[in-house]
Amino acid sequence: KAGVTQTPRYLIKTRGQQVTLSCSPISGHRSVSWYQQTPGQGLQFLFEYFSETQRNKGNFPGRFSGRQFSNSRSEMNVSTLELGDSALYLCASSLDNFGQRRHGYTFGSGTRLTVV
Amino acid sequence: DQQVKQNSPSLSVQEGRISILNCDYTNSMFDYFLWYKKYPAEGPTFLISISSIKDKNEDGRFTVFLNKSAKHLSLHIVPSQPGDSAVYFCAARDFYNQGGKLIFGQGTELSVKP
Repeated sequence: KAGVTQTPRYLIKTRGQQVTLSCSPISGHRSVSWYQQTPGQGLQFLFEYFSETQRNKGNFPGRFSGRQFSNSRSEMNVSTLELGDSALYLCASSLDNFGQRRHGYTFGSGTRLTVV
Repeated sequence: DQQVKQNSPSLSVQEGRISILNCDYTNSMFDYFLWYKKYPAEGPTFLISISSIKDKNEDGRFTVFLNKSAKHLSLHIVPSQPGDSAVYFCAARDFYNQGGKLIFGQGTELSVKP
């Protein structure tokens, strides 16, 4: 059974550019969440999608946006990149509304974004 | 406002002994708690979880204890193995108010020495 797939694994962008990251959840999973991990702030919640609807959003500026497609795949977009956006971006999927209780939320390996 | 706290940034344990990782929280509406293990440049790997209506859950070498009155949970690893060396995060969820959002602690780096 394939896990959560995030592409690309590594990305280098210049300040002011925009970037799109992709996440393919485990087959059958309908909930996808995004997190940002930085050394100073730890793991911070960005947003959550369930059945193509954004269910919750974290405290990030409007430059951060996302969407979910009918096949549950999700993308997140960051516009006008800043140096502080350099981070590991993680996607997590779960089966249903309540999280897959036995196995929790399954994370992908992440996309390492470096803004120069 | 840090709702989930792991006050020990690091912990060192001898192989074969017990590792105890601690986590405190402030939000009494949390309904679900999870522990994850993480290696650098990889995503967190789910270890074990516990519902707020339980006080203990076991899975092999891993046991999680929940003390709701103290707003405290702990992860016990017995016996500890060198392969357990990683950063451990506790996370909590308030599904009623915040859906599937997980709030993470800052992590505890566990080092198991042979």
